[in-house]
Amino acid sequence: EAQVTQNPRYLITVTGKKLTVTCSQNMNHEYMSWYRQDPGLGLRQIYYSMNVEVTDKGDVPEGYKVSRKEKRNFPLILESPSPNQTSLYFCASSLLDRAETQYFGPGTRLLVL
Amino acid sequence: GEDVEQSLFLSVREGDSSVINCTYTDSSSTYLYWYKQEPGAGLQLLTYIFSNMDMKQDQRLTVLLNKKDKHLSLRIADTQTGDSAIYFCAESSTNNAGNMLTFGGGTRLMVKP
Repeated sequence: EAQVTQNPRYLITVTGKKLTVTCSQNMNHEYMSWYRQDPGLGLRQIYYSMNVEVTDKGDVPEGYKVSRKEKRNFPLILESPSPNQTSLYFCASSLLDRAETQYFGPGTRLLVL
Repeated sequence: GEDVEQSLFLSVREGDSSVINCTYTDSSSTYLYWYKQEPGAGLQLLTYIFSNMDMKQDQRLTVLLNKKDKHLSLRIADTQTGDSAIYFCAESSTNNAGNMLTFGGGTRLMVKP
Protein backbone atom coordinates (compact mmCIF):
# COMPACT_ATOMS: atom_id res chain seq x y z
CA GLU A 1 0.00 0.00 0.00
CA ALA A 2 1.34 3.42 -1.02
CA GLN A 3 1.80 5.54 2.04
CA VAL A 4 3.64 8.27 3.87
CA THR A 5 4.26 7.54 7.55
CA GLN A 6 5.18 9.97 10.30
CA ASN A 7 6.34 9.39 13.85
CA PRO A 8 5.43 10.31 16.44
CA ARG A 9 1.80 11.21 15.83
CA TYR A 10 1.56 13.25 19.01
CA LEU A 11 4.33 14.91 20.98
CA ILE A 12 4.44 17.18 24.01
CA THR A 13 7.81 18.70 24.79
CA VAL A 14 9.39 21.68 26.54
CA THR A 15 11.10 24.74 25.14
CA GLY A 16 14.65 24.06 24.03
CA LYS A 17 14.60 20.26 24.02
CA LYS A 18 15.72 19.03 20.62
CA LEU A 19 13.30 16.76 18.79
CA THR A 20 13.03 14.93 15.48
CA VAL A 21 9.88 13.98 13.60
CA THR A 22 10.47 11.19 11.13
CA CYS A 23 8.86 10.83 7.71
CA SER A 24 9.10 7.85 5.40
CA GLN A 25 7.51 7.04 2.02
CA ASN A 26 7.41 3.76 0.12
CA MET A 27 6.64 5.09 -3.37
CA ASN A 28 10.17 5.90 -4.53
CA HIS A 29 9.17 9.56 -4.82
CA GLU A 30 11.90 12.07 -5.52
CA TYR A 31 10.11 15.03 -3.95
CA MET A 32 9.38 15.29 -0.24
CA SER A 33 8.31 18.23 1.86
CA TRP A 34 7.17 19.36 5.27
CA TYR A 35 4.19 21.62 5.98
CA ARG A 36 2.79 23.07 9.14
CA GLN A 37 -0.92 23.69 9.59
CA ASP A 38 -2.22 26.47 11.79
CA PRO A 39 -5.87 27.52 12.19
CA GLY A 40 -7.03 29.88 9.47
CA LEU A 41 -3.64 29.81 7.72
CA GLY A 42 -3.94 26.54 5.86
CA LEU A 43 -0.73 24.63 5.26
CA ARG A 44 2.55 26.43 4.81
CA GLN A 45 5.64 24.76 3.46
CA ILE A 46 8.66 24.56 5.78
CA TYR A 47 11.30 22.72 3.72
CA TYR A 48 11.35 20.57 0.64
CA SER A 49 13.72 18.17 -1.06
CA MET A 50 13.92 17.29 -4.75
CA ASN A 51 16.22 14.33 -4.23
CA VAL A 52 18.83 12.80 -1.96
CA GLU A 53 21.11 15.47 -0.48
CA VAL A 54 19.08 18.24 -2.18
CA THR A 55 17.02 20.36 0.23
CA ASP A 56 15.72 23.92 0.17
CA LYS A 57 13.68 26.34 2.25
CA GLY A 58 9.97 26.77 1.86
CA ASP A 59 7.90 29.68 3.12
CA VAL A 60 8.47 29.26 6.88
CA PRO A 61 11.87 27.57 7.47
CA GLU A 62 12.99 29.47 10.60
CA GLY A 63 13.68 27.19 13.55
CA TYR A 64 13.69 23.98 11.50
CA LYS A 65 16.25 21.74 9.85
CA VAL A 66 15.87 18.78 7.53
CA SER A 67 18.08 16.15 5.98
CA ARG A 68 17.71 13.77 3.03
CA LYS A 69 20.32 11.06 3.31
CA GLU A 70 18.08 8.40 1.81
CA LYS A 71 15.37 8.71 -0.79
CA ARG A 72 12.62 7.31 1.41
CA ASN A 73 13.27 9.35 4.58
CA PHE A 74 12.96 13.06 5.28
CA PRO A 75 13.20 13.88 8.99
CA LEU A 76 12.24 17.27 10.40
CA ILE A 77 14.49 18.52 13.19
CA LEU A 78 13.69 21.19 15.75
CA GLU A 79 17.01 21.98 17.42
CA SER A 80 15.53 24.28 20.07
CA PRO A 81 11.73 24.17 19.94
CA SER A 82 9.75 27.21 21.02
CA PRO A 83 6.03 27.58 21.82
CA ASN A 84 5.34 29.25 18.47
CA GLN A 85 6.25 25.93 16.83
CA THR A 86 3.22 24.32 18.43
CA SER A 87 1.35 23.15 15.36
CA LEU A 88 0.18 20.24 13.25
CA TYR A 89 2.89 19.02 10.91
CA PHE A 90 2.43 17.13 7.66
CA CYS A 91 5.00 15.36 5.54
CA ALA A 92 4.25 14.87 1.85
CA SER A 93 5.87 13.15 -1.10
CA SER A 94 5.34 13.11 -4.85
CA LEU A 95 6.96 12.47 -8.17
CA LEU A 96 9.14 15.35 -9.25
CA ASP A 97 7.20 18.12 -11.05
CA ARG A 98 3.99 16.17 -10.51
CA ALA A 99 2.35 17.96 -7.60
CA GLU A 100 -0.95 16.24 -8.47
CA THR A 101 0.60 12.95 -7.29
CA GLN A 102 1.29 14.32 -3.82
CA TYR A 103 0.56 12.01 -0.87
CA PHE A 104 0.29 13.38 2.65
CA GLY A 105 1.21 11.67 5.88
CA PRO A 106 -1.30 11.44 8.77
CA GLY A 107 0.16 14.42 10.63
CA THR A 108 2.12 14.99 13.84
CA ARG A 109 0.56 17.18 16.48
CA LEU A 110 3.27 18.99 18.45
CA LEU A 111 2.82 20.96 21.65
CA VAL A 112 5.80 22.95 22.94
CA LEU A 113 5.41 24.14 26.53
CA GLY B 1 3.99 35.79 -2.31
CA GLU B 2 1.06 34.16 -3.99
CA ASP B 3 -2.20 33.98 -2.10
CA VAL B 4 -5.14 31.59 -1.94
CA GLU B 5 -8.27 32.62 -0.03
CA GLN B 6 -11.38 30.83 1.12
CA SER B 7 -14.25 31.62 3.41
CA LEU B 8 -13.88 30.04 6.82
CA PHE B 9 -17.20 28.35 7.33
CA LEU B 10 -20.18 26.88 5.47
CA SER B 11 -23.25 25.22 6.92
CA VAL B 12 -25.77 23.24 4.85
CA ARG B 13 -28.58 20.78 5.41
CA GLU B 14 -28.22 17.13 4.50
CA GLY B 15 -29.36 16.54 0.93
CA ASP B 16 -28.68 20.12 -0.20
CA SER B 17 -25.81 21.10 -2.48
CA SER B 18 -22.71 22.72 -0.99
CA VAL B 19 -20.59 25.20 -2.87
CA ILE B 20 -17.17 26.08 -1.51
CA ASN B 21 -15.39 28.98 -3.16
CA CYS B 22 -11.73 29.87 -3.51
CA THR B 23 -9.82 32.74 -5.10
CA TYR B 24 -6.15 32.80 -5.98
CA THR B 25 -3.68 35.35 -7.24
CA ASP B 26 -1.06 33.36 -9.14
CA SER B 27 -1.76 33.81 -12.84
CA SER B 28 0.73 31.06 -13.68
CA SER B 29 -1.10 28.35 -11.72
CA THR B 30 -0.94 25.06 -13.57
CA TYR B 31 -3.09 22.88 -11.36
CA LEU B 32 -5.73 23.67 -8.76
CA TYR B 33 -6.73 21.19 -6.11
CA TRP B 34 -9.35 20.41 -3.53
CA TYR B 35 -8.32 18.50 -0.43
CA LYS B 36 -10.53 17.19 2.35
CA GLN B 37 -9.43 16.91 5.98
CA GLU B 38 -11.63 14.99 8.38
CA PRO B 39 -11.20 15.52 12.13
CA GLY B 40 -7.90 14.12 13.38
CA ALA B 41 -6.88 12.94 9.92
CA GLY B 42 -4.46 13.94 7.20
CA LEU B 43 -5.29 15.50 3.86
CA GLN B 44 -7.10 13.53 1.22
CA LEU B 45 -6.92 14.71 -2.37
CA LEU B 46 -10.50 14.94 -3.64
CA THR B 47 -9.93 16.22 -7.12
CA TYR B 48 -7.81 18.56 -9.17
CA ILE B 49 -8.18 20.49 -12.38
CA PHE B 50 -5.67 21.59 -14.96
CA SER B 51 -5.67 25.32 -15.54
CA ASN B 52 -6.78 25.06 -19.16
CA MET B 53 -10.03 23.34 -18.15
CA ASP B 54 -13.26 25.07 -17.13
CA MET B 55 -14.99 22.22 -15.39
CA LYS B 56 -14.41 18.76 -14.06
CA GLN B 57 -17.04 16.39 -12.70
CA ASP B 58 -16.45 13.32 -10.59
CA GLN B 59 -19.56 11.67 -9.18
CA ARG B 60 -21.03 14.11 -6.62
CA LEU B 61 -18.18 16.61 -7.05
CA THR B 62 -18.09 19.37 -9.65
CA VAL B 63 -15.14 21.74 -9.93
CA LEU B 64 -15.58 25.00 -11.81
CA LEU B 65 -12.63 27.18 -12.77
CA ASN B 66 -12.90 30.78 -13.93
CA LYS B 67 -9.36 31.54 -14.92
CA LYS B 68 -10.09 35.14 -15.87
CA ASP B 69 -11.40 35.92 -12.38
CA LYS B 70 -9.01 33.42 -10.70
CA HIS B 71 -11.96 31.78 -9.00
CA LEU B 72 -12.33 28.09 -8.21
CA SER B 73 -15.36 26.38 -6.73
CA LEU B 74 -16.22 22.92 -5.47
CA ARG B 75 -19.82 21.83 -5.60
CA ILE B 76 -20.88 18.78 -3.62
CA ALA B 77 -24.27 17.44 -4.69
CA ASP B 78 -26.60 15.72 -2.20
CA THR B 79 -24.36 16.63 0.74
CA GLN B 80 -24.17 13.99 3.45
CA THR B 81 -23.15 14.20 7.12
CA GLY B 82 -19.99 12.29 6.16
CA ASP B 83 -19.00 15.27 4.04
CA SER B 84 -18.50 17.36 7.19
CA ALA B 85 -14.82 18.28 7.15
CA ILE B 86 -12.40 21.08 6.35
CA TYR B 87 -11.88 21.62 2.63
CA PHE B 88 -8.67 23.16 1.36
CA CYS B 89 -8.15 24.78 -1.98
CA ALA B 90 -4.54 24.70 -3.25
CA GLU B 91 -2.60 25.61 -6.34
CA SER B 92 0.73 24.73 -7.88
CA SER B 93 2.49 26.64 -10.60
CA THR B 94 5.64 26.85 -12.61
CA ASN B 95 6.62 29.75 -10.37
CA ASN B 96 6.72 27.52 -7.32
CA ALA B 97 9.90 25.69 -6.53
CA GLY B 98 9.47 22.03 -7.30
CA ASN B 99 6.06 20.76 -6.35
CA MET B 100 5.12 23.24 -3.67
CA LEU B 101 1.43 23.66 -3.07
CA THR B 102 0.05 26.99 -1.86
CA PHE B 103 -2.99 26.39 0.32
CA GLY B 104 -5.96 28.47 1.32
CA GLY B 105 -6.91 28.67 4.98
CA GLY B 106 -9.58 25.99 4.66
CA THR B 107 -13.38 26.06 4.75
CA ARG B 108 -15.09 24.13 7.51
CA LEU B 109 -18.22 22.47 6.12
CA MET B 110 -20.86 21.52 8.63
CA VAL B 111 -23.72 19.34 7.41
CA LYS B 112 -26.83 19.36 9.56
CA PRO B 113 -29.09 16.30 9.55
